[in-house]
Amino acid sequence: GAGVSQSPRYKVAKRGQDVALRCDPISGHVSLFWYQQALGQGPEFLTYFQNEAQLDKSGLPSDRFFAERPEGSVSTLKIQRTQQEDSAVYLCASSLQVLDSYEQYFGPGTRLTVT
Amino acid sequence: QQPVQSPQAVILREGEDAVINCSSSKALYSVHWYRQKHGEAPVFLMILLKGGEQKGHDKISASFNEKKQQSSLYLTASQLSYSGTYFCGTEKGAQKLVFGQGTRLTINP
Repeated sequence: GAGVSQSPRYKVAKRGQDVALRCDPISGHVSLFWYQQALGQGPEFLTYFQNEAQLDKSGLPSDRFFAERPEGSVSTLKIQRTQQEDSAVYLCASSLQVLDSYEQYFGPGTRLTVT
Repeated sequence: QQPVQSPQAVILREGEDAVINCSSSKALYSVHWYRQKHGEAPVFLMILLKGGEQKGHDKISASFNEKKQQSSLYLTASQLSYSGTYFCGTEKGAQKLVFGQGTRLTINP
């Protein structure tokens, strides 16, 4: 079956531009997560959705970052007025379960480079 | 609180064994183990929930000590395909994972 897909795989943006990153989770997965991964580091939590509800956005670095999942399936992470420090790989993950500990399935990520 | 992994990097010859540790100063709710190859998505290996729990498949296994402050990942008779960066993650509420800094494993022929 299809896994988590993300698009675009690579994005180059000039400083100050807005970008939108898309995540298609595994069909039927209730939970969706966004992580930011800097070079040589582990993924860092950004935000979490349960269906269409954004339950935790404590990891978003600034108010320039915004995420949505309006129909409880596809999610978009938007970054406004990009800065060089936003350069990273943005990973999306989905999970079937809500309450119990359950594996997260990761997408291949979008590598964002801000010049 | 971010878990701490050790060692930061390991280089092995094919067939050798490796142990990767993940520890915290406080009890961990659970431990998730993932492997990530360069440029690819992290791939789930296993979850340990209970103190004293051990799990494994093929030649990769893990343990979670009784006090739930340390987990170890064991790779036996390593294969070239085991190369990659291994991350442990612990939950901070509702599956929100906090990952360690990673352990880079290189397997040479």
